[in-house]
Amino acid sequence: QKEVEQNSGPLSVPEGAIASLNCTYSDRGSQSFFWYRQYSGKSPELIMSIYSNGDKEDGRFTAQLNKASQYVSLLIRDSQPSDSATYLCAVPLNSGYALNFGKGTSLLVTP
Amino acid sequence: EPEVTQTPSHQVTQMGQEVILRCVPISNHLYFYWYRQILGQKVEFLVSFYNNEISEKSEIFDDQFSVERPDGSNFTLKIRSTKLEDSAMYFCASEAAGASTDTQYFGPGTRLTVL
Repeated sequence: QKEVEQNSGPLSVPEGAIASLNCTYSDRGSQSFFWYRQYSGKSPELIMSIYSNGDKEDGRFTAQLNKASQYVSLLIRDSQPSDSATYLCAVPLNSGYALNFGKGTSLLVTP
Repeated sequence: EPEVTQTPSHQVTQMGQEVILRCVPISNHLYFYWYRQILGQKVEFLVSFYNNEISEKSEIFDDQFSVERPDGSNFTLKIRSTKLEDSAMYFCASEAAGASTDTQYFGPGTRLTVL
């Protein structure tokens, strides 16, 4: 059973701080990794994807991948109350393209 | 910006009834997916569809479920005899080319309530 693990939180950070969200995965052969944001009652929305070891930056978001440790993280700089949501880590299932999601980490950014 | 649409937004049905959930994927996309999310739980893959046939399905997608692309735009999920445990949000997603690096775009979801 291929697993994607996330701390459910809630992770609470003050406005303007850096939020750090972590994800581990069990399938050593995984090649692509996705971070989705999901507001309560809404559908997942892609924030970032990462395929190579190291960091990938997009605006206030940085994804970090370490395949040797089977670990992917998402940093949110200058956190805003509007960033309060559940962040889902997703890894392709098997050899196809269907996504295996983690349970998500709930982030609360307090003013 | 193109988006995936789903209808209805909320469906209430009696246990044992059949429901059809509808999705209109992004127009030039070739791969289509159904996922579900039971309240408070993770998003779970149900089925993927390409070139008018199922390309992958999960253990959840049993004989109770079927998918169809009846015309050039709609993609449907049929649940033949609904059970209480089918109550969930059902998300349709579409993807342009079906590569592991490709982005899946999710529709807003249909909330299915089985009474």
